[in-house]
Amino acid sequence: DAGVTQSPTHLIKTRGQQVTLRCSPKSGHDTVSWYQQALGQGPQFIFQYYEEEERQRGNFPDRFSGHQFPNYSSELNVNALLLGDSALYLCASSSQGRHGYTFGSGTRLTVV
Amino acid sequence: KNEVEQSPQNLTAQEGEFITINCSYSVGISALHWLQQHPGGGIVSLFMLSSGKKKHGRLIATINIQEKHSSLHITASHPRDSAVYICAVLGDYGGSQGNLIFGKGTKLSVKP
Repeated sequence: DAGVTQSPTHLIKTRGQQVTLRCSPKSGHDTVSWYQQALGQGPQFIFQYYEEEERQRGNFPDRFSGHQFPNYSSELNVNALLLGDSALYLCASSSQGRHGYTFGSGTRLTVV
Repeated sequence: KNEVEQSPQNLTAQEGEFITINCSYSVGISALHWLQQHPGGGIVSLFMLSSGKKKHGRLIATINIQEKHSSLHITASHPRDSAVYICAVLGDYGGSQGNLIFGKGTKLSVKP
């Protein structure tokens, strides 16, 4: 039974560029949440998708956007990259009405 | 003040020692998670608690809802337990699924 799959694992981008990160949830899960983890810090909530809609959003600018597909997989898009966007981006899947979360291994984004 | 506070931030122990990591939170919660993160970045869920105590192998997690406090204990610690341990709470939004709020983590190093 596959857990949460994220791609790519590592990525290097230049300031001003755009990036798309992908996440496939654990089988049976319908909700995907995205988190940003800066070095030495705990993860910060970006947003959560359920039924192909953004249901909740953390304190992140509009440069951060996302999408959820009918098969529950999700994308995180970041436009106009800044150096400060360099971080580990984590995806977690869950089921509505249940409290268990499964995490992916993350995508490490470096902006130069 | 952060909504989830962990202590200590860093912990060094000798192999075999009993370890305790503490977590205090200030919001109403529907569940609390203890997570383990290794240097590669991926997060593994250790426990999900909403009351009482859970045990898995050498790991024990407790929660006191009235005091808004949880502890993670590791008995007979081993160098392979070296990792960052993160406490995360799932906010109680009156029935709708909230998002995880993370502590900053406790970096544990167990020396042989």
